[in-house]
Amino acid sequence: DGGITQSPKYLFRKEGQNVTLSCEQNLNHDAMYWYRQDPGQGLRLIYYSQIVNDFQKGDIAEGYSVSREKKESFPLTVTSAQKNPTAFYLCASKQGVGNQPQHFGDGTRLSIL
Amino acid sequence: AQKVTQAQTEISVVEKEDVTLDCVYETRDTTYYLFWYKQPPSGELVFLIRRNSFDEQNEISGRYSWNFQKSTSSFNFTITASQVVDSAVYFCALTRGGSSYKLIFGSGTRLLVRP
Repeated sequence: DGGITQSPKYLFRKEGQNVTLSCEQNLNHDAMYWYRQDPGQGLRLIYYSQIVNDFQKGDIAEGYSVSREKKESFPLTVTSAQKNPTAFYLCASKQGVGNQPQHFGDGTRLSIL
Repeated sequence: AQKVTQAQTEISVVEKEDVTLDCVYETRDTTYYLFWYKQPPSGELVFLIRRNSFDEQNEISGRYSWNFQKSTSSFNFTITASQVVDSAVYFCALTRGGSSYKLIFGSGTRLLVRP
């Protein structure tokens, strides 16, 4: 089935450690996104990519990094510079540059040890 | 600036009741799109509907219906005869027309449907 796969489902980070969240899609979508969701809040955009080898910062990019080497993959690294990384992270993808709906993965819940 | 407000943080109803989730938006754009997403306990967001700013017709899909009123900048969502499976967090979102990349989300409304 076509869809977006995020892994792992749960992730724990030690102080000073970088961790990488995986996002893979087989929908052949051009654009991919990373969002952060905190309890009782909506989603906030971290990074997005509209084409391979190109990505842009969203509203809360500090402490995060991404790469887009392949169309189907958009991994997110949470660096040690992100002082409050505990949150639920959602990856999404969308076809084209118009206003098609974004499709979401199941999310990764990141916690601090 | 664009903004989406979902003033209802949590709603609790008994099964078979009708329930309306409110969404009020702010934008200076003349062309924009509105969305509703459902987030069940499993976590993924499920797309429910997209509406553009030039189409004010209400829409019905089974037990779901949407009321779009530009005069009040509202895009409300009604579930008729609610079921336990409707329990989830519902998000309203807004994006600009054209090649916009950015979805602006409301803070969500948690709906609990009790048997």
